[in-house]
Amino acid sequence: EAQVTQNPRYLITVTGKKLTVTCSQNMNHEYMSWYRQDPGLGLRQIYYSMNVEVTDKGDVPEGYKVSRKEKRNFPLILESPSPNQTSLYFCASVDLGGELFFGEGSRLTVL
Amino acid sequence: RKEVEQDPGPFNVPEGATVAFNCTYSNSASQSFFWYRQDCRKEPKLLMSVYSSGNEDGRFTAQLNRASQYISLLIRDSKLSDSATYLCAVNMETSYDKVIFGPGTSLSVIP
Repeated sequence: EAQVTQNPRYLITVTGKKLTVTCSQNMNHEYMSWYRQDPGLGLRQIYYSMNVEVTDKGDVPEGYKVSRKEKRNFPLILESPSPNQTSLYFCASVDLGGELFFGEGSRLTVL
Repeated sequence: RKEVEQDPGPFNVPEGATVAFNCTYSNSASQSFFWYRQDCRKEPKLLMSVYSSGNEDGRFTAQLNRASQYISLLIRDSKLSDSATYLCAVNMETSYDKVIFGPGTSLSVIP
């Protein structure tokens, strides 16, 4: 089954404690992307990757890092989380027709 | 002006009604257009792509108006199961790494 898998799905952490949200896709897509979704602001792109070792900033990259060492994986790293990073995060991979396939989302709370 | 705008609603309509949503975009060079559906606390899923000639899928019709820079979604004979948030997505560039989402329009179909 074609899917994008994110982990963890839910996480409560404290300010400054580094965390990583993993994302894996099994569709061999080159493009992958991270979004955060906040009430009233919609989905905003954090980072994207066009292929292995090729990443670039989206609209709201501050406080985040990513890596793309393998085509299937695209982890999102919060080196020092802050409360304003409390949000619902979605990873997506993109097929050649431009359709985004989203993971189920990771709800992060930073205290 | 935001890059992609939608009326957030909520739209509350009775079963069987026809409802239409619009989405405006600011970049006249935008390449491709999509409608996604998002159920509460779930990931967005592609509803339909929007082609220049317009396209229809059952009760759903999507239109693109490049001159006025908007896309529309028409839902006929609304069902209770159509209740969701509808997100328009616009790809700003020829590659699929720059997809901008509108904030979404909330639809509730009432018995």
